[in-house]
Amino acid sequence: GAGVSQSPSNKVTEKGKDVELRCDPISGHTALYWYRQSLGQGLEFLIYFQGNSAPDKSGLPSDRFSAERTGGSVSTLTIQRTQQEDSAVYLCASEDRARETQYFGPGTRLLVL
Amino acid sequence: SQQGEEDPQALSIQEGENATMNCSYKTSINNLQWYRQNSGRGLVHLILIRSNEREKHSGRLRVTLDTSKKSSSLLITASRAADTASYFCATEAMEYGNKLVFGAGTILRVKS
Repeated sequence: GAGVSQSPSNKVTEKGKDVELRCDPISGHTALYWYRQSLGQGLEFLIYFQGNSAPDKSGLPSDRFSAERTGGSVSTLTIQRTQQEDSAVYLCASEDRARETQYFGPGTRLLVL
Repeated sequence: SQQGEEDPQALSIQEGENATMNCSYKTSINNLQWYRQNSGRGLVHLILIRSNEREKHSGRLRVTLDTSKKSSSLLITASRAADTASYFCATEAMEYGNKLVFGAGTILRVKS
């Protein structure tokens, strides 16, 4: 079946511009995560949605970052006034709570010039 | 330091040899998982071990968990060049809101 998809695959933007990254999770998965990964580094947790509960935003690095999940499905991560240090791969994962397993999308590679 | 830390940071072995990667963590956990990542893209789930389990196998993978030492190891037997990737451990713990927390990973290179 269809896995987690993310768009765009790559995004190049200028410093100061806003960007929106999209994640389409696996149908039926109630949990959705956003992570950031800088080159050669581990995963940095950003935000976690679980069903109708309030999202866990504890990993968002600044108020320039926000995310929403509409209808319990598609999620959008928005970065306002991008900075060069925002350049990274942004990974989305949805979780099958029954199996306690995360399924990752291919990521969006963001480059801020 | 982080909840999950892998050791070594990088490992280079010959094809056919076994590869062992270790993960240490700080809090009580519900489960510990290992993931693999190729070429900086999405991660793939390999294996999950629960806090009441000590060892699990999946194909050429063997995972052990020692909750008294708060550590886990991933053994890949008879490695292949295609096993070259980054390997991450991730822990689920109540102290972290029951969300997965990933370590920094071990970069494994298998030379043919």
